[in-house]
Amino acid sequence: DTAVSQTPKYLVTQMGNDKSIKCEQNLGHDTMYWYKQDSKKFLKIMFSYNNKELIINETVPNRFSPKSPDKAHLNLHINSLELGDSAVYFCASSQLYGRSQVHEQFFGPGTRLTVL
Amino acid sequence: RKEVEQDPGPFNVPEGATVAFNCTYSNSASQSFFWYRQDCRKEPKLLMSVYSSGNEDGRFTAQLNRASQYISLLIRDSKLSDSATYLCVVNKGNQGGKLIFGQGTELSVKP
Repeated sequence: DTAVSQTPKYLVTQMGNDKSIKCEQNLGHDTMYWYKQDSKKFLKIMFSYNNKELIINETVPNRFSPKSPDKAHLNLHINSLELGDSAVYFCASSQLYGRSQVHEQFFGPGTRLTVL
Repeated sequence: RKEVEQDPGPFNVPEGATVAFNCTYSNSASQSFFWYRQDCRKEPKLLMSVYSSGNEDGRFTAQLNRASQYISLLIRDSKLSDSATYLCVVNKGNQGGKLIFGQGTELSVKP
């Protein structure tokens, strides 16, 4: 069973479009994250949700809006896509609080977004 | 200055070689330290956590020097399958699990 899954795996779209990426984890973790990995391979955190509550919100354009309907899902919606949004977007999860705290973050396979 | 700095490499080594990667971090309040491994076009995966006392996992040894804000990873007896990018990762500990990733060091092990 896949622990952290993302859909779609590849996304090619035109500038100005709106798109969404979905993420699901079946590890029972309380915290989920979105990271962006650009062409220079830097992985940077964008957002984090703990039990559906936003706890990390980095300096990201407000065209990016995360949504967490429950603690097992964290989606990312991007409005008015720009060329510079082309990157690989990784979802991750961890257990941040409680006795079963696990610092390790488990990553999904990534979504390769190409904006033309 | 980047919060986590690594030599991007690439390091090209023959099978069986010992190779060492270094990493420095800028925030002295950092609390947790890790090495992640990322294969080409794949997601990062935890290789090992790094403790002040140093820790070893098979052919891999990680060291942390808090005074110098320096982390290292030593790989002994390199295998072809060790070829990957090794990411130095730091957790500040008071920011909701936020991980700061280094750029990664690329390792290529040749026959």
